[in-house]
Amino acid sequence: DSGVTQTPKHLITATGQRVTLRCSPRSGDLSVYWYQQSLDQGLQFLIQYYNGEERAKGNILERFSAQQFPDLHSELNLSSLELGDSALYFCASSGRGRMFGYTFGSGTRLTVV
Amino acid sequence: AQSVTQPDIHITVSEGASLELRCNYSYGATPYLFWYVQSPGQGLQLLLKYFSGDTLVQGIKGFEAEFKRSQSSFNLRKPSVHWSDAAEYFCAVGSYTGTASKLTFGTGTRLQVTL
Repeated sequence: DSGVTQTPKHLITATGQRVTLRCSPRSGDLSVYWYQQSLDQGLQFLIQYYNGEERAKGNILERFSAQQFPDLHSELNLSSLELGDSALYFCASSGRGRMFGYTFGSGTRLTVV
Repeated sequence: AQSVTQPDIHITVSEGASLELRCNYSYGATPYLFWYVQSPGQGLQLLLKYFSGDTLVQGIKGFEAEFKRSQSSFNLRKPSVHWSDAAEYFCAVGSYTGTASKLTFGTGTRLQVTL
């Protein structure tokens, strides 16, 4: 157990729907990162939050949004889902003073049908 | 913008043989370099990282990597591969500004180990 908890582990939904992926970071970690892993795009950085505020943005679609709550857990919202959104979505967390000391969760596998 | 190239998509080695996985990076400043391993159905586990100093970096599970600035490379090596090393390996370069940071990953190399 890495200490980063992602739920659900698997999600199957239809095109056009909206889903929410949840991530609880390691205890004490202030930063949360979201990554998407797909066969055609590989591992892509989506977004980073630090202590509730957005800090860095990558290749995140406008249909996707995220937030980090006061208890530091984060949610990634994916809307108007398309077949191409099927992927493994990873969350990672890191703490102050641990530059790039990322700990990854085991991911949420999203299948859009 | 930074980028990482892993030229080998798939490598097969015999158990007990040596291993070298190639990684080339493109980054404007001093790079922060990483190797991660991903077993099927699992998340990413950090094997080792290079920030500065000694260019030969030791990691977990008997892996090491050598940073060569002149070749923009950060190849991963292991003297003797075990069957349990079969997995996908990702090289990454990190960038940061203050509290903002991100990793840019290569496309990965899938390692198969034959007995």
